[in-house]
Amino acid sequence: EAGVAQSPRYKIIEKRQSVAFWCNPISGHATLYWYQQILGQGPKLLIQFQNNGVVDDSQLPKDRFSAERLKGVDSTLKIQPAKLEDSAVYLCASSLGVTSGFHEQYFGPGTRLTVT
Amino acid sequence: GIQVEQSPPDLILQEGANSTLRCNFSDSVNNLQWFHQNPWGQLINLFYIPSGTKQNGRLSATTVATERYSLLYISSSQTTDSGVYFCAVGNAGGTSYGKLTFGQGTILTVHP
Repeated sequence: EAGVAQSPRYKIIEKRQSVAFWCNPISGHATLYWYQQILGQGPKLLIQFQNNGVVDDSQLPKDRFSAERLKGVDSTLKIQPAKLEDSAVYLCASSLGVTSGFHEQYFGPGTRLTVT
Repeated sequence: GIQVEQSPPDLILQEGANSTLRCNFSDSVNNLQWFHQNPWGQLINLFYIPSGTKQNGRLSATTVATERYSLLYISSSQTTDSGVYFCAVGNAGGTSYGKLTFGQGTILTVHP
């Protein structure tokens, strides 16, 4: 079974530029999560989708971050414009779904973003 | 929201030693996962253990949900066990919709 796929693996941009990350979850997983992991900390949720609807974006800085999950499969996370403090690893995860009764989340390899 | 505390923050072992990592959480959960983050940043699933005891080779885990803690045991440690170990908890079906809240992690270093 293929795992969660993410691209790119690394990205270096200058502040005020824009960047986009892509995630393909495990086949059949209804719930998709984007987490941000700053160096030295545990990951923190940015946004959660159930199929193609947003169920939690309370921690997403909506003035600069946006995310979508068209057709309930792939997802993209965008930052525009980027700030220095956005330097972090962006992790995508998926799970069968809140209503499945089985909640284990699986993570992709992450995208390491450096903003200079 | 749920608070998660991991201890110890750092652990240094000689190869072959055993260790116990602890995770305390502040509220009832229906998801608890242990991860190993390797040097390349990949989070590797070790256990999905909202309650009970599981074993996988040299690793085992126990969660006592009623007392709000979980333990990860590593026996006969190897240098490849080095990295950061995270405990993460969630409460799917509640207001959090199942998001995981992570602890700060335990940094394990195993010397040959």
